[in-house]
Amino acid sequence: QKEVEQNSGPLSVPEGAIASLNCTYSDRGSQSFFWYRQYSGKSPELIMSIYSNGDKEDGRFTAQLNKASQYVSLLIRDSQPSDSATYLCAVNDYNQGGKLIFGQGTELSVKP
Amino acid sequence: DTGVSQDPRHKITKRGQNVTFRCDPISEHNRLYWYRQTLGQGPEFLTYFQNEAQLEKSRLLSDRFSAERPKGSFSTLEIQRTEQGDSAMYLCASSQEGIEAFFGQGTRLTVV
Repeated sequence: QKEVEQNSGPLSVPEGAIASLNCTYSDRGSQSFFWYRQYSGKSPELIMSIYSNGDKEDGRFTAQLNKASQYVSLLIRDSQPSDSATYLCAVNDYNQGGKLIFGQGTELSVKP
Repeated sequence: DTGVSQDPRHKITKRGQNVTFRCDPISEHNRLYWYRQTLGQGPEFLTYFQNEAQLEKSRLLSDRFSAERPKGSFSTLEIQRTEQGDSAMYLCASSQEGIEAFFGQGTRLTVV
């Protein structure tokens, strides 16, 4: 059973702080890694993708991947109240059709 | 490009009735995925198509569920003899060759 694990939270950070979200996965064959943001009652929105070890930055978001440790993280700098949402970690194996295996999500609350 | 579109957005049905959902993927995407999400959980994979071929079905997809993608364009997901346990958000996503997947707005099904 391929698994993706996330702390469910809630994770509460003050406005302007760095929010750190973590994810581990069990399948070493996973090749692509994604972070989705999901506001309450809405569908998941892709915010970051990462395919190789190291860091990838996009604006206030940085994704980090360590395949040896089977660990993916998302850092959100200068957190804003509008970042309050559930963040879903997802992994896929391109050779398995690209279907995504999701973690249960981490709820982030940014307090003004 | 208008993104992935799902219809209806909400559906309330009585137990035992049949329901059908529609998904229109991003036009240039050849892969289409269906997921189901219940409260507090990440989306769970149901099935996917590459063009018109249905290539994988999850164990979650019981005999009451059927999905089609005629002509490799839009897809439908039908649930026969609905049960209260079918109440969930049904999400459709599309991608090109299984890389980044983008989700539609979802169809929220309530079985009463």
